[in-house]
Amino acid sequence: NAGVTQTPKFRVLKTGQSMTLLCAQDMNHEYMYWYRQDPGMGLRLIHYSVGEGTTAKGEVPDGYNVSRLKKQNFLLGLESAAPSQTSVYFCASSRLESTDTQYFGPGTRLTVL
Amino acid sequence: AQSVAQPEDQVNVAEGNPLTVKCTYSVSGNPYLFWYVQYPNRGLQFLLKYITGDNLVKGSYGFEAEFNKSQTSFHLKKPSALVSDSALYFCAVRHAVDDKIIFGKGTRLHILP
Repeated sequence: NAGVTQTPKFRVLKTGQSMTLLCAQDMNHEYMYWYRQDPGMGLRLIHYSVGEGTTAKGEVPDGYNVSRLKKQNFLLGLESAAPSQTSVYFCASSRLESTDTQYFGPGTRLTVL
Repeated sequence: AQSVAQPEDQVNVAEGNPLTVKCTYSVSGNPYLFWYVQYPNRGLQFLLKYITGDNLVKGSYGFEAEFNKSQTSFHLKKPSALVSDSALYFCAVRHAVDDKIIFGKGTRLHILP
């Protein structure tokens, strides 16, 4: 099993550009999450999904959109990137029965100039 | 509000010595507490969790954590530190209402050879 994979690993954007981060998991997990990690602030939840076709807002959803068209994939979109969105983004997944044990991807380092 | 606090940004320990990484929590109701570890350039990995039962919880890589209700603490411990334990450690609590995980800001552990 590959576990949780994220694409791309690194990306540099200019302010106003758009992009989509892809997360894929092969563990048949129901729950999927997008976090951002900033120095001194730990992980903050952006959006999450409890199943195919459903999404919900987390702690810091503004400026991001998500979609979960397939159970194994969870996409995070930035429509108009801002420097404040420079961060490391982590995707995670978990089973319905054990949402506190999350499996994380390796992260995507995004820089917005 | 549910929250965890990690009072130390960084902890330095000599190899072979015991280590402690501190965490205090604030929850309504019974606390569900966790520790995750992040190695350089990797996503977070689950270490251990406390739901109920024994106050001393054993986890991966020889780590354990002690739940102390009177002090509202959940400190991570290991009897003998290894250089390979050097990483970023996150304490977390499960939100009582929506089951989301709330992470602390992280403590960087340096094990000195």
